[in-house]
Amino acid sequence: AQKVTQAQTEISVVEKEDVTLDCVYETRDTTYYLFWYKQPPSGELVFLIRRNSFDEQNEISGRYSWNFQKSTSSFNFTITASQVVDSAVYFCALSVYTGNQFYFGTGTSLTVIP
Amino acid sequence: DAGVTQSPTHLIKTRGQQVTLRCSPKSGHDTVSWYQQALGQGPQFIFQYYEEEERQRGNFPDRFSGHQFPNYSSELNVNALLLGDSALYLCASSSPGGLLKETQYFGPGTRLLVL
Repeated sequence: AQKVTQAQTEISVVEKEDVTLDCVYETRDTTYYLFWYKQPPSGELVFLIRRNSFDEQNEISGRYSWNFQKSTSSFNFTITASQVVDSAVYFCALSVYTGNQFYFGTGTSLTVIP
Repeated sequence: DAGVTQSPTHLIKTRGQQVTLRCSPKSGHDTVSWYQQALGQGPQFIFQYYEEEERQRGNFPDRFSGHQFPNYSSELNVNALLLGDSALYLCASSSPGGLLKETQYFGPGTRLLVL
């Protein structure tokens, strides 16, 4: 069975602080895919990044960076110099090669205080 | 390039009624998945449609059914509504079909309230 855990329910930071959102996943499949989505109050899930299990390279995109570690089954997301517009709920998701559905964590609500 | 669209945006129904939600996938996408997101929870997979057939189903009762049309758009039907069906229903599309694990792109959702 597949499972995604986001232990941080809510995080508040002051603008310009760095913040890391944690994601731990469980799967027995050797080929799998990890994703991060952002959900603003409007409700639409916005795709941020995809990482394949066979590619452990970390990635940086502007103020966003992702740290994928298979050894600890983690796929953490860091926002550098946070901004008010980063306030949203962030979801980590897992998909495996042998299935079609996405498994989502319960989300982390991030509030950036001006 | 139009993204995933869903209609209606909001819906209020009473227990026992039936509801139909609609989704048009992103241009070039042929696979549609439906998710239910209860308040404060992550999305839960309902089912996925590809080539007008249900390809995979999550842990949802038969009251939840769907359809995919030749133009790849899709409908989600829920019969005999329960209070617990109140949620945000999200549609996601991906391309192309087959075994490739493509990224899913989500629509804005339909907020269903059952009274």
